[in-house]
Amino acid sequence: GDSVTQMEGPVTLSEEAFLTINCTYTATGYPSLFWYVQYPGEGLQLLLKATKADDKGSNKGFEATYRKETTSFHLEKGSVQVSDSAVYFCALSDQQNSGYALNFGKGTSLLVTP
Amino acid sequence: DVKVTQSSRYLVKRTGEKVFLECVQDMDHENMFWYRQDPGLGLRLIYFSYDVKMKEKGDIPEGYSVSREKKERFSLILESASTNQTSMYLCASRGDRVRTGELFFGEGSRLTVL
Repeated sequence: GDSVTQMEGPVTLSEEAFLTINCTYTATGYPSLFWYVQYPGEGLQLLLKATKADDKGSNKGFEATYRKETTSFHLEKGSVQVSDSAVYFCALSDQQNSGYALNFGKGTSLLVTP
Repeated sequence: DVKVTQSSRYLVKRTGEKVFLECVQDMDHENMFWYRQDPGLGLRLIYFSYDVKMKEKGDIPEGYSVSREKKERFSLILESASTNQTSMYLCASRGDRVRTGELFFGEGSRLTVL
């Protein structure tokens, strides 16, 4: 089935550093792509999404662009804050699955230090 | 706002016990999902349901069953709990069966099987 691969963590950055978390996908059709974030002790919440090639999703200073030519959806933020410490999951909608369930990557843990 | 509520945040059960994990959503969503989350493995789909009394297996259904008697409620059942089912269980819902739709997650139920 369709799948995503994201960089392994943990990633440790100093406050105000630039963040990139890589995500590539394998799909037979045209999936939608998502980034979810999980703060400590909480469930997953949607951070941003893109539904077609060249779309850019953005939220809370985070951005990701749907690149069909490189099958990628890398998450970026120009200046991270301590409050961004969380686990980030890349996901795609599985079109081979009749419920369009999301297939998730393994997650990347981010720790931002003051 | 969509609210997905999982009845138990933490459970401790013994091997062989029958375990019920309950999930309720308040937005009249057709689609509901159960995932398990394990370190280094990310989220894996157990079962999903796209209508009342309808269910389909996900990637790892062995040892689990589900029940959807009412639209708002989706239950995950472990008929005979085993230690390898110790995990975080996440319930999610979505309104439409479209590839662009995001999933809304509950806060999770952490199950420990002794």
